[in-house]
Amino acid sequence: EAEVAQSPRYKITEKSQAVAFWCDPISGHATLYWYRQILGQGPELLVQFQDESVVDDSQLPKDRFSAERLKGVDSTLKIQPAELGDSAMYLCASSSPGASYNEQFFGPGTRLTVL
Amino acid sequence: DQQVKQNSPSLSVQEGRISILNCDYTNSMFDYFLWYKKYPAEGPTFLISISSIKDKNEDGRFTVFLNKSAKHLSLHIVPSQPGDSAVYFCAAGIGSARQLTFGSGTQLTVLP
Repeated sequence: EAEVAQSPRYKITEKSQAVAFWCDPISGHATLYWYRQILGQGPELLVQFQDESVVDDSQLPKDRFSAERLKGVDSTLKIQPAELGDSAMYLCASSSPGASYNEQFFGPGTRLTVL
Repeated sequence: DQQVKQNSPSLSVQEGRISILNCDYTNSMFDYFLWYKKYPAEGPTFLISISSIKDKNEDGRFTVFLNKSAKHLSLHIVPSQPGDSAVYFCAAGIGSARQLTFGSGTQLTVLP
């Protein structure tokens, strides 16, 4: 069964360092999402791509976060510099254009801890 | 402003009994709703969905009910099994935007 791949699964970094997360969506899924999930809360959308184009990055803290999907397939989310408040689970999801109710398929996530 | 609310952070149910998870929303523009299940150290997995033109959708042990006038939906799991123990998220979307707004989740524990 096709899955969304994410790496690394866990990342521990110190404040002010740079971190990067990678996501490979399900083949053929044109829409890719990055979410941040803080413990006890639901996933919150950071950025949405349609192919290689950003559809919505209104919730992305652009002073320190960046995201790209250069060839419209895999994607990278970067944080520079990392802050203590960035500790969270970062989830990637993808969806197919044909999905009736925008069913999104999630990867296992990257658990980020900033010390 | 939380547009999708799950007011019960946790729920415990005996194995074999019914689990009822609730979700409220404020945005009347939402036209479809989904439930996701999440185990620790895994991403959420899709469980069941419902369109706003329906009031019920059933899939095996899982049934979702939608009350548009009350802006309320619920997920019923019958019978509950220990493997159902997970965090359940309610999510809502507006068709053209292809985005989902998630609730804060309810931790379901099914006791053997």
